[in-house]
Amino acid sequence: DARVTQTPRHKVTEMGQEVTMRCQPILGHNTVFWYRQTMMQGLELLAYFRNRAPLDDSGMPKDRFSAEMPDATLATLKIQPSEPRDSAVYFCASGSSNQPQHFGDGTRLSIL
Amino acid sequence: AQSVTQLGSHVSVSEGALVLLRCNYSSSVPPYLFWYVQYPNQGLQLLLKYTTGATLVKGINGFEAEFKKSETSFHLTKPSAHMSDAAEYFCAVSPMNTGFQKLVFGTGTRLLVSP
Repeated sequence: DARVTQTPRHKVTEMGQEVTMRCQPILGHNTVFWYRQTMMQGLELLAYFRNRAPLDDSGMPKDRFSAEMPDATLATLKIQPSEPRDSAVYFCASGSSNQPQHFGDGTRLSIL
Repeated sequence: AQSVTQLGSHVSVSEGALVLLRCNYSSSVPPYLFWYVQYPNQGLQLLLKYTTGATLVKGINGFEAEFKKSETSFHLTKPSAHMSDAAEYFCAVSPMNTGFQKLVFGTGTRLLVSP
């Protein structure tokens, strides 16, 4: 079974540190999504890319978050500087015009 | 614009009982509809989807859902609950004219199954 792979699965760091989360989408999927899940806010769409170009990042705090796709096999989400309120589970999903979104298992981020 | 309403943040059933999770949607264009399941410490997994054609859609693990346009509903059912069905379930919608692109998710329903 093809899978979306996210690394790391868990990350604990101190506030102010840079955090980088990585995602390998399923081969052949041209759309990549970043979500954040918290108890309070539920599942929020942060940003998404099609053919490596950012289409919508309106859900992302611009001052500290950035998302990129250096190539078709890698998407990254960075937080700099990190804050305790960024603690959440971050999911990557990939899909295409004829394939529904497949989710990775997430990165559980704790900012102390 | 699209939106999804899932009635009931928690649903409790006994093992062997009928499972019914409710989803109503709003869409200005014909929709694609989805149900995803999330088990603890995992990502969302696609249970089933409605695109076009037959309005009763069968998915994995014995689940099915029926698209009712007149009621703008896409409720998820399973005849007999199993302990392993305990999880969070999300309904989602996307406009048909964009294919399987950006999804709008409901707030989720946690299914609790008691012995």
